[in-house]
Amino acid sequence: RKEVEQDPGPFNVPEGATVAFNCTYSNSASQSFFWYRQDCRKEPKLLMSVYSSGNEDGRFTAQLNRASQYISLLIRDSKLSDSATYLCVVKRGYGGSQGNLIFGKGTKLSVKP
Amino acid sequence: DGGITQSPKYLFRKEGQNVTLSCEQNLNHDAMYWYRQDPGQGLRLIYYSQIVNDFQKGDIAEGYSVSREKKESFPLTVTSAQKNPTAFYLCASTSRGEGGYTFGSGTRLTVV
Repeated sequence: RKEVEQDPGPFNVPEGATVAFNCTYSNSASQSFFWYRQDCRKEPKLLMSVYSSGNEDGRFTAQLNRASQYISLLIRDSKLSDSATYLCVVKRGYGGSQGNLIFGKGTKLSVKP
Repeated sequence: DGGITQSPKYLFRKEGQNVTLSCEQNLNHDAMYWYRQDPGQGLRLIYYSQIVNDFQKGDIAEGYSVSREKKESFPLTVTSAQKNPTAFYLCASTSRGEGGYTFGSGTRLTVV
C-alpha cells in the first residue's frame, strides 16, 4: 500500500462548481498534513496546512480524520485559475526519513468556462 | 527576496556522464531536500540534510550523491550509476521540523 494515496482524476468541472479531493495515508504516526498545488511544469507550492479541527482559507476547506487516516480538500466556487494538480502531503511519523514529507501522486483539476 | 534558487533550469547529459545540480537558499533554513518527479508520479525523496556537514539517504538514493558544506547550499550529483536519470529534480528547504517546504523552481534533466 502506498503511504499516501489520492484519487488520480482528472476532475473536469465547470466554473463555479464545488469539487472535493480525497486522500488516505497509511502511517498512523504521521504528524502533519498539507495540501500543495502544482501548476504544469512548475514546482509545488503550499496551499494550506490541514489541522485536526478542520480549517478554511477563503474558498478552500481542509479536513482531517485521524481515525480513518483520511484527508480532504474542498474547493467552492471554482475558478479557471484553480486548474492545477493538487498534492496531498503527509509528514512521515516514523521509520526511514522520519519527519520528511511524503507526497501523493496528485489529482489533476481542470476548470472549464 | 528570500528564496531557493536551482540551476540550471534545463540540463542535458550524455550517457555515462556525471552532472551536478545546484541548489542555494537564503532563507536561513536548516533542512534541505532533493526530490525527483517523473511524469504522472509523486515526488520521491532522494537525499536530505538537517544540518551542515550531515545528510541522509532518502527513498531512492542509489546513483546520486550530495554534500552540505554550507548551510545555504545543497548540490546534487547525478552519477553514471543512475540508470534512468531523466526527470524533474526539485530542491526544497524548511526551518527545522516546522511546517511545509519551500521549493525551488526545479531542474529538468534529460539524458541524450
